[in-house]
Amino acid sequence: DVKVTQSSRYLVKRTGEKVFLECVQDMDHENMFWYRQDPGLGLRLIYFSYDVKMKEKGDIPEGYSVSREKKERFSLILESASTNQTSMYLCASSLGTSDSTDTQYFGPGTRLTVL
Amino acid sequence: AQTVTQSQPEMSVQEAETVTLSCTYDTSESNYYLFWYKQPPSRQMILVIRQEAYKQQNATENRFSVNFQKAAKSFSLKISDSQLGDTAMYFCAFLNSGYALNFGKGTSLLVTP
Repeated sequence: DVKVTQSSRYLVKRTGEKVFLECVQDMDHENMFWYRQDPGLGLRLIYFSYDVKMKEKGDIPEGYSVSREKKERFSLILESASTNQTSMYLCASSLGTSDSTDTQYFGPGTRLTVL
Repeated sequence: AQTVTQSQPEMSVQEAETVTLSCTYDTSESNYYLFWYKQPPSRQMILVIRQEAYKQQNATENRFSVNFQKAAKSFSLKISDSQLGDTAMYFCAFLNSGYALNFGKGTSLLVTP
């Protein structure tokens, strides 16, 4: 089974802090994704990566950056956390083939609260 | 841009009964993929079922099946013999030749004894 893990289930940070959310997958997947989930809005894509050191902006990249130094690890960085970034953050990965329409597998999520 | 609409924010069904969750989407693409994901209260998003648009046959996975109507751009999920463990948020999602899933806003399903 595919396993996607996230470093924290719950996180509380102060406004202005730099925040790192970590995601690791153990199935040698090429693609990794960061989504944000808010009630009534569904899931929105922040960033994705299709290879090591490669990244693409999603629908809502403002206020976020990402890092992928190793294939199995994809980090989401909040450079200066703000209260409107309080949310559930979900990481996902997919195999990555010439046909990019692979099924995505999700981690358990990190509930981030910014005070 | 593609949009995915789930018109039922909340639904309730009794154990052992059948329930259908609705999903419509808008796209000009001819080749794409549709998914139903389930998110139980524990928050782990789990794939329920996947449908390729080029396949006319509706996908099934045990008690879960879809009614895929390509012309109508409709992709509903039917859960038969509902179980308490089916209580969850259900998301419909669309994927074309790009990388990112487009999600609906979700339907919260409660299965009652």
